[in-house]
Amino acid sequence: AQSVTQLGSHVSVSEGALVLLRCNYSSSVPPYLFWYVQYPNQGLQLLLKYTSAATLVKGINGFEAEFKKSETSFHLTKPSAHMSDAAEYFCAVSNPGGSYIPTFGRGTSLIVHP
Amino acid sequence: GAGVSQSPRYKVAKRGQDVALRCDPISGHVSLFWYQQALGQGPEFLTYFQNEAQLDKSGLPSDRFFAERPEGSVSTLKIQRTQQEDSAVYLCASSLGQGVQNIQYFGAGTRLSVL
Repeated sequence: AQSVTQLGSHVSVSEGALVLLRCNYSSSVPPYLFWYVQYPNQGLQLLLKYTSAATLVKGINGFEAEFKKSETSFHLTKPSAHMSDAAEYFCAVSNPGGSYIPTFGRGTSLIVHP
Repeated sequence: GAGVSQSPRYKVAKRGQDVALRCDPISGHVSLFWYQQALGQGPEFLTYFQNEAQLDKSGLPSDRFFAERPEGSVSTLKIQRTQQEDSAVYLCASSLGQGVQNIQYFGAGTRLSVL
């Protein structure tokens, strides 16, 4: 069984401030982990993925995430928020030995203030 | 096409009505997935096709839900005798193949409202 917990349904930051979106996972096997972004009225877009290579993963739009096995975490960060980063962010986990179908968290809405 | 296309974008149905939701995947993509996204929730897996074969339908919530992909391209998700709890956004995604190295590309979804 696998699951994802995203802490905080809403995160509010000022433009230029650090963005930190939290994700903790539960998996019976070493997982694959993903972050997706969803803009209003659009589908999900993959930001980055961890597939057991480097633990620090860089994605698009300046985002990165670090896999920490000891903390079962995969938090998403960006050094400086931009207004265009305002969106819904989803963390997801999948089982490499299975069908790769991801299990998604409930999402975190990022609000960026000018 | 350039991306995954879903139609209609919005659908309002009366309770008990049948609906059909269409997904046009990216040309050449072998794998196709359907997800249900309730308000304020993450997407939940419904079913998965590899070409025309439906390999996993474990996420379909009831026998009122049925999906097909007869020619291995366009897929249709059908919901019979719709109920209010079926109200959600239905997302379709396609990928070149199976496996995590094959990124899933999502459509914008169909928002279904059952009155």
